Amino acid sequence: NAGVMQNPRHLVRRRGQEARLRCSPMKGHSHVYWYRQLPEEGLKFMVYLQKENIIDESGMPKERFSAEFPKEGPSILRIQQVVRGDSAAYFCASSLLLRRDSSYEQYFGPGTRLTVT
Amino acid sequence: KNQVEQSPQSLIILEGKNCTLQCNYTVSPFSNLRWYKQDTGRGPVSLTIMTFSENTKSNGRYTATLDADTKQSSLHITASQLSDSASYICVVSDQGSGTYKYIFGTGTRLKVLA
Repeated sequence: NAGVMQNPRHLVRRRGQEARLRCSPMKGHSHVYWYRQLPEEGLKFMVYLQKENIIDESGMPKERFSAEFPKEGPSILRIQQVVRGDSAAYFCASSLLLRRDSSYEQYFGPGTRLTVT
Repeated sequence: KNQVEQSPQSLIILEGKNCTLQCNYTVSPFSNLRWYKQDTGRGPVSLTIMTFSENTKSNGRYTATLDADTKQSSLHITASQLSDSASYICVVSDQGSGTYKYIFGTGTRLKVLA
């Protein structure tokens, strides 16, 4: 039973290029979350998506960043015109379902390490 | 501002010894608290989860405690092994903004030496 898959594991982009990070949730999971981990910092929530819907993008920068989770295929985190400050590890997590008043579990992928040169 | 602070930042112990990691949080209203283990280059893996009504939770050699009054938690590792070398992260869910929005501490880096 495969866990959360992320690819690529490592991505190098020059300033101004676009970065596309992919996340395949665990089988049966329809909720996806993206987190960013800057060097020497904790993971920070970016966005929460369900299939074809963005539920909460309050942690995502307003410009250059976008996320989607289409009906078919993986979730994509897209960063346009990358800058050096975007260099970080980006983690995706998935969960089975969300109940606001209960404890559910998010399962994390191995992350994509983005380096902007 | 909701925060999760951990101490120490790093810790070195000998194999077989015990250790205790600390977590203080200011998240309110509090939903639940988790401890994760993160190996280098990997994603976090859940060790324990506690709601505000639970005081202690064990998972093998890992025992987590929670004092919701003082907003403190600890993770005790017994009889450490080399494979315990990792970052241990305290994560709190904020019930006010949605239990899915995890708030991560910066972690304690544990190194177990032979």
